[in-house]
Amino acid sequence: DIQMTQSPSTLSASVGDRVTITCRASQSISTWLAWYQQKPGKAPELLIYKASSLGSGVPSRFGGSGSGTEFTLTISSLQPDDFASYYCQQYNSHPWTFGQGTKVEIK
Amino acid sequence: QLQLQESGPGLVKPSETLSLTCTVSDGSISSSRYYWVWIRQPPGRGLEWIGSISSTGTTYYNPSLKSRVTLSVDTSKNQFSLRLTSVTAADTAVYYCARSVGGSHDYWGQGTLVTVSS
Repeated sequence: DIQMTQSPSTLSASVGDRVTITCRASQSISTWLAWYQQKPGKAPELLIYKASSLGSGVPSRFGGSGSGTEFTLTISSLQPDDFASYYCQQYNSHPWTFGQGTKVEIK
Repeated sequence: QLQLQESGPGLVKPSETLSLTCTVSDGSISSSRYYWVWIRQPPGRGLEWIGSISSTGTTYYNPSLKSRVTLSVDTSKNQFSLRLTSVTAADTAVYYCARSVGGSHDYWGQGTLVTVSS
């Protein structure tokens, strides 16, 4: 199985901050990576697919980059609605696997 | 807008079988573009992919669960289903169904909590 490791596990930030979350794969996954946002008690929502393509209706302050084994999710200016947990997921090969998650908290 | 809704018992006894159904509305489950997936999340923990099924019945399973999982699809009812046998407390989780396009999941159900307890 491909292991996905996110860092940090928790991130404290303020409204307006630029935030970066990293996801590392245990082997190359090309650009077969998605990012999801999950709020408490809700289903995850797709933010980014194929490493850098924005999901439908996702605000442009969200951006994804990377290829191979290292990827980043960037929020250019953190908004109150962005305090949530974020997960990366590889779909290069089965079984599809998720990172352990990054919780973005209010500083 | 496509909608997915999970249904099934919220409480299952240890060693019994967990059965859930996902009903797809405002869209067809029969498109060859998509796979239909089950994902679960134990309380306070991360996401685990269980398996995927196409409208023609092609399946992929997580090896960690493969011996206990069966996915099926009923295109006449626009539904797909999950069976997980011999459950234990470790199978307690919120179970989500979702649509997969190329491997990323763009539409999700709201999730249903299944508790394994006697």
